[in-house]
Amino acid sequence: SQKIEQNSEALNIQEGKTATLTCNYTNYSPAYLQWYRQDPGRGPVFLLLIRENEKEKRKERLKVTFDTTLKQSLFHITASQPADSATYLCATMDSSYKLIFGSGTRLLVRP
Amino acid sequence: NAGVTQTPKFQVLKTGQSMTLQCAQDMNHNSMYWYRQDPGMGLRLIYYSASEGTTDKGEVPNGYNVSRLNKREFSLRLESAAPSQTSVYFCANRLAGVVDTQYFGPGTRLTVL
Repeated sequence: SQKIEQNSEALNIQEGKTATLTCNYTNYSPAYLQWYRQDPGRGPVFLLLIRENEKEKRKERLKVTFDTTLKQSLFHITASQPADSATYLCATMDSSYKLIFGSGTRLLVRP
Repeated sequence: NAGVTQTPKFQVLKTGQSMTLQCAQDMNHNSMYWYRQDPGMGLRLIYYSASEGTTDKGEVPNGYNVSRLNKREFSLRLESAAPSQTSVYFCANRLAGVVDTQYFGPGTRLTVL
């Protein structure tokens, strides 16, 4: 069955640097991957979706890539700010067409 | 426009007690979902409802029941709470026909003693 793996270790970076988070899937190449942001005590909020046939997607300071050879998606935040500190979840569809999530990577941006 | 709302925000139960978590949406979306989130395990699907009057099991349905009486509301019931059900519960919805982007409620933090 499909699984989503994200680095459980927190990523700690300096304000202004680019944050790069990794999402790996274990099985077949999914039709798309999604990224969500979750703040403490709140529900996840959808950020970006990238389809299998798209190599890269951008939204303001966010960029997502999809590499089917590496079975991986990278999520970048350029010019990071302390307000970007949150947990970022990767998700995709499983074989029964339900969304499955990784456990998330916590990002901490130091001022 | 509140989106997805959940009540209560916090709840403490004793083992064996029952309770119902409420979820309501004002987005007119067909599909609704209940997840639980535990540290290091991510979001796991408990039950979902593709449309009013239908429900299906997700990955971790044991110990839970759900009810989708109308399009707006989807409730999750714990008949006899166990400490293993201590978790944060999220309700979500999805607009049918659109790629499976989901909209989440604020969550209910449940502790079972």
